[in-house]
Amino acid sequence: RKEVEQDPGPFNVPEGATVAFNCTYSNSASQSFFWYRQDCRKEPKLLMSVYSSGNEDGRFTAQLNRASQYISLLIRDSKLSDSATYLCVVISSGSARQLTFGSGTQLTVLP
Amino acid sequence: NAGVTQTPKFRILKIGQSMTLQCTQDMNHNYMYWYRQDPGMGLKLIYYSVGAGITDKGEVPNGYNVSRSTTEDFPLRLELAAPSQTSVYFCASSYSSPGNTIYFGEGSWLTVV
Repeated sequence: RKEVEQDPGPFNVPEGATVAFNCTYSNSASQSFFWYRQDCRKEPKLLMSVYSSGNEDGRFTAQLNRASQYISLLIRDSKLSDSATYLCVVISSGSARQLTFGSGTQLTVLP
Repeated sequence: NAGVTQTPKFRILKIGQSMTLQCTQDMNHNYMYWYRQDPGMGLKLIYYSVGAGITDKGEVPNGYNVSRSTTEDFPLRLELAAPSQTSVYFCASSYSSPGNTIYFGEGSWLTVV
């Protein structure tokens, strides 16, 4: 089983739709969680951290479910500019070696 | 704001050749990383450094070497290039522990033929 798994998609949704991605992780000792966004042929950039109580940033909501070992990202009112690949990142300890990227979920928002 | 700068952006190498990917950051970050990203795959850590003079292997270090003589620079050396090293390489940095935001360079597209 991979340490971090994501549905690769692609998710094709119309503008204005709500879409959700999940990311599962295998190490129950994982400590920190993030969502990064990567545009086509560009570098990843931090979208948001994921806190235990869940957190929201505008149209984006991140949730953590430790019992089931997954994190989720919800995007409301999708915009064309949301089209990208979304990478989940899981950190198991303070070591850089324990920082694991998922392979990403591709989202395309259609006009 | 320069952030993380890596060069070259594109390079074609012949099998057996060597080259160095340059990376520099101007944010005074002590952590620096080199990742490779193959199509449809997640980023794999090649090497990382927690400060000048300190480097350590990541998940896929074979065929690569690094050095960290200054806080700003973290070059990645490819020795005896192989087709399996065809990939996109990202240099990155973060302040202190990897739990902080990681800032990436724009990537270097390397093809080995």
